[in-house]
Amino acid sequence: DIQLTQSPSFLSASVGDRVTITCRASQGISSYLAWYQQKPGKAPKLLIYAASTLQSGVPSRFSGSGSGTEFTLTISSLQPEDFATYYCQQLNSYPGITFGGGTKVEIK
Amino acid sequence: QVTLRESGPALVKPTQTLTLTCTFSGFSLSTSGMCVSWIRQPPGKALEWLALIDWDDDKYYSTSLKTRLTISKDTSKNQVVLTMTNMDPVDTATYYCARIPHDSYFDYWGQGTLVTVSS
Repeated sequence: DIQLTQSPSFLSASVGDRVTITCRASQGISSYLAWYQQKPGKAPKLLIYAASTLQSGVPSRFSGSGSGTEFTLTISSLQPEDFATYYCQQLNSYPGITFGGGTKVEIK
Repeated sequence: QVTLRESGPALVKPTQTLTLTCTFSGFSLSTSGMCVSWIRQPPGKALEWLALIDWDDDKYYSTSLKTRLTISKDTSKNQVVLTMTNMDPVDTATYYCARIPHDSYFDYWGQGTLVTVSS
């Protein structure tokens, strides 16, 4: 199975900060990667798919990049509503789907 | 409008079989390319993919759990059912169902149902 490793697992940031989260795959997955945002007590929400395509309705301060084994999610200017946990997910080995371990973004 | 809702017992005893139902609307599992999946999340931990069923009734399972899982669908009722045998306290988690168009991503999720395994 393909493993996804996210870093950092936790980060503390302030409103207005630029935030970058990394997801590394144990083998190449082309661009078959998505990013989800999850708030406490809620289901995950799709933010970005195919590594860099913004899901409809998602603010443009979110962006994704990468291919192969290394991917990044960037929030250009952190907003109060962005404090949440973020997960990457691959489907290169579809339907053998895997998620990363998550990155919790908290208020500094 | 696409919606999914999970239902099932909130509490099961160790060794029992868990049966969860996902009832959805706004799409059909008889539509080519449509799939529904189950994902779980233990308290404070990461998401874990469990199983997927597609429009053609093909079924796929997590490698680590496939001996314990069965997924099925009732297209006429717009339902997908997941059974997990031999439940253990480590299976305590929120269980989600989600729509995933073929070769795509989880675009709609249910609100999740918390299942606790305890005697």
